[in-house]
Amino acid sequence: SQKIEQNSEALNIQEGKTATLTCNYTNYSPAYLQWYRQDPGRGPVFLLLIRENEKEKRKERLKVTFDTTLKQSLFHITASQPADSATYLCALGSNDMRFGAGTRLTVKP
Amino acid sequence: GAGVSQTPSNKVTEKGKYVELRCDPISGHTALYWYRQSLGQGPEFLIYFQGTGAADDSGLPNDRFFAVRPEGSVSTLKIQRTERGDSAVYLCASSTGLRSPLHFGNGTRLTVT
Repeated sequence: SQKIEQNSEALNIQEGKTATLTCNYTNYSPAYLQWYRQDPGRGPVFLLLIRENEKEKRKERLKVTFDTTLKQSLFHITASQPADSATYLCALGSNDMRFGAGTRLTVKP
Repeated sequence: GAGVSQTPSNKVTEKGKYVELRCDPISGHTALYWYRQSLGQGPEFLIYFQGTGAADDSGLPNDRFFAVRPEGSVSTLKIQRTERGDSAVYLCASSTGLRSPLHFGNGTRLTVT
């Protein structure tokens, strides 16, 4: 069956460090992968999209990589800030969109 | 412009009752998605509309769940004979089309007592 796994439920890091979140998938051939941020009591908010023929995408302090051989995406937040604390979700799609369980990131001052 | 609007924001109902959850997507967005999210979990796909038709309803858990989008804009998720296990946050999202970013509402929190 199709599975999307995010590396851990929670990740705690110090302000200023780089946060790295992992998304692995099995039995999937997604055309693209997206990352979302979700704050408590709110719907997810889109951050970045990367297509199957792209290796890396950047947006300000965010970077996403997509390795279709390893079936893995890495999501990096550089120079992390306490305001980056949230749950981060990866989502895979071809004709629909399926989400992982998310990783709750806490950035401590 | 306005984002995706979901009403009500909270709904408490008794086991066995019927409920309707409404989603107003962003104007002009042709694709509309329904998800269900339990505490500590990611959104679970339920159904996807392209225009008025359900392009993929494979995530609906059973025949108590049904969704419509009669004019290709507003959508209603309908749950019959609610069960306690249906308690969750129901999220709606819209997008400009296939493979585009999703814009989510803040969800309807459904509690079945």
